[in-house]
Amino acid sequence: DADVTQTPRNRITKTGKRIMLECSQTKGHDRMYWYRQDPGLGLRLIYYSFDVKDINKGEISDGYSVSRQAQAKFSLSLESAIPNQTALYFCATGGERGGGEQFFGPGTRLTVL
Amino acid sequence: DQQVKQNSPSLSVQEGRISILNCDYTNSMFDYFLWYKKYPAEGPTFLISISSIKDKNEDGRFTVFLNKSAKHLSLHIVPSQPGDSAVYFCAASTTGTYKYIFGTGTRLKVLA
Repeated sequence: DADVTQTPRNRITKTGKRIMLECSQTKGHDRMYWYRQDPGLGLRLIYYSFDVKDINKGEISDGYSVSRQAQAKFSLSLESAIPNQTALYFCATGGERGGGEQFFGPGTRLTVL
Repeated sequence: DQQVKQNSPSLSVQEGRISILNCDYTNSMFDYFLWYKKYPAEGPTFLISISSIKDKNEDGRFTVFLNKSAKHLSLHIVPSQPGDSAVYFCAASTTGTYKYIFGTGTRLKVLA
């Protein structure tokens, strides 16, 4: 089983709709992250969380919110989706002591019409 | 303002030859650097990292070089294999922040 899972894997929605992307991990990491990938722009950090009570904004948090329901779960919400939020979204965990690497989920492809 | 830059969007290399992927950064506070590989329809996977106390780190066919004065790092893959064809991202961080800034990626194609 995958260590970091994301649901859904693909989603098409309409402008103005509320969307939630979910992430679960079995690695036992405290740190979790949400990124979006756009062509030519690489991966940009949306939000990150170092534990259940610690939520931080990343580079591009406007239009997004997050919830850390448990150590293993970190969800990303688009309160009112707009077309320029069409992107590939990745959840990641890691950055633990002894190693700085992150472990990524398979991604969610979101299309906002 | 792009703090981490990968100026080559794509690179083609013949199988068996060396692949060199480059990355530049502007923030002098960065002291930890990572490379990730990404295949289509998958998330990025960690490849190799280097701390600023070193100028070289090797792991099998992969070597990362860091030139702090030039704020430049490079990933060498020797010999290149068709399975190395992927998008490669470099990322930078400041120790203790656990926050990572990624470059825009370089698509490597290894020709058989």
